[in-house]
Amino acid sequence: AQSVTQPDIHITVSEGASLELRCNYSYGATPYLFWYVQSPGQGLQLLLKYFSGDTLVQGIKGFEAEFKRSQSSFNLRKPSVHWSDAAEYFCAVGGTGRRALTFGSGTRLQVQP
Amino acid sequence: DAGVTQSPTHLIKTRGQQVTLRCSPKSGHDTVSWYQQALGQGPQFIFQYYEEEERQRGNFPDRFSGHQFPNYSSELNVNALWLGDSALYLCASSSKTSGPSYNEQFFGPGTRLTVL
Repeated sequence: AQSVTQPDIHITVSEGASLELRCNYSYGATPYLFWYVQSPGQGLQLLLKYFSGDTLVQGIKGFEAEFKRSQSSFNLRKPSVHWSDAAEYFCAVGGTGRRALTFGSGTRLQVQP
Repeated sequence: DAGVTQSPTHLIKTRGQQVTLRCSPKSGHDTVSWYQQALGQGPQFIFQYYEEEERQRGNFPDRFSGHQFPNYSSELNVNALWLGDSALYLCASSSKTSGPSYNEQFFGPGTRLTVL
């Protein structure tokens, strides 16, 4: 069975500081990995995705993530956080074809001025 | 280009009632998936429709049912509502061009259902 673990429920960083959100997955085949962001009361916006190729992927809003197959991880990073980045972040895994996505439980990011 | 749209935005029902939620996929998308997101949790897959049939189903009871229309729009129906059905219901759409074989899903803003 596929699963996603986001170990950090809540993270607080200062504006301008760097950020890393952790994601570990379990999937029996080639994983397709995603990071989504959700602002309060809103739907999910895709930040970035990994299908194949270069293991370091760039996304929107200055985010990047690195796929590490040996560690079953897909951590999200940003070098300098802005106050507008405060939101809930979800990591998800899917597969080929019309596979359903399995989400982690999310990490809530708070940004201090 | 309109994205995924959902209606209504908010809904309040009482226990035992039935509810229908609606979703219009992104233009050009033919596959619709529904997810339930309880407060403080990640979305959980309910089911997926394409070619007007249910193709995959998550761990949800038969009280949850759906439909897809020829224009690819979809409905989610929930019967015999109980308090635990209170959640944000998200619709996602995908197509052959949204990633390798339909991988990337585009989400709507969701319908917030409250069951009293």
